[in-house]
Amino acid sequence: GIQVEQSPPDLILQEGANSTLRCNFSDSVNNLQWFHQNPWGQLINLFYIPSGTKQNGRLSATTVATERYSLLYISSSQTTDSGVYFCAGGKAAGNKLTFGGGTRVLVKP
Amino acid sequence: NAGVTQTPKFRVLKTGQSMTLLCAQDMNHEYMYWYRQDPGMGLRLIHYSVGEGTTAKGEVPDGYNVSRLKKQNFLLGLESAAPSQTSVYFCASARDGFYGYTFGSGTRLTVV
Repeated sequence: GIQVEQSPPDLILQEGANSTLRCNFSDSVNNLQWFHQNPWGQLINLFYIPSGTKQNGRLSATTVATERYSLLYISSSQTTDSGVYFCAGGKAAGNKLTFGGGTRVLVKP
Repeated sequence: NAGVTQTPKFRVLKTGQSMTLLCAQDMNHEYMYWYRQDPGMGLRLIHYSVGEGTTAKGEVPDGYNVSRLKKQNFLLGLESAAPSQTSVYFCASARDGFYGYTFGSGTRLTVV
């Protein structure tokens, strides 16, 4: 199956800082998603981004499908950005997703 | 809109007991999924469904069964609970497997 590696595993930011999270895939995918899990455990879908670039407020994502990686950018970080960011990808029947191990982000005030 | 609702939110089982976790969605999504999340790890797919009356195995299906008799409901059953099934279980639904991926708030299950 597809292997998904995320880096870095942990990230500590000062409020207002920018950061980049990376996700590498062992194989090409046609379904690529980014999720945020807040400190209370709730998972929120951020982006569906199999290729190209998308932006949503202070968050943006870029996927380079030919090189099998995706980047998530957090600009002007806020304490509410804390939590774990997961990328997930798939191409099999049922559009099943394989999740990476996550990047744990802590934004300090 | 409630989105995806999971019941119960917490449960403690004794080894060998059985239980059913219920997932209900009100978005008319075709695809539904059951994942488990263990401490410090990502999510692993247990079973999934691509439409009413269909089910299929995911990455870690052993010890679990599922049913999707109605489009809006996806049930996860544990026939004989084991301590290794202690985990947080998440249900998700998606319009077509790509768009509208929505998770429930999770069920924390402890098997003693």
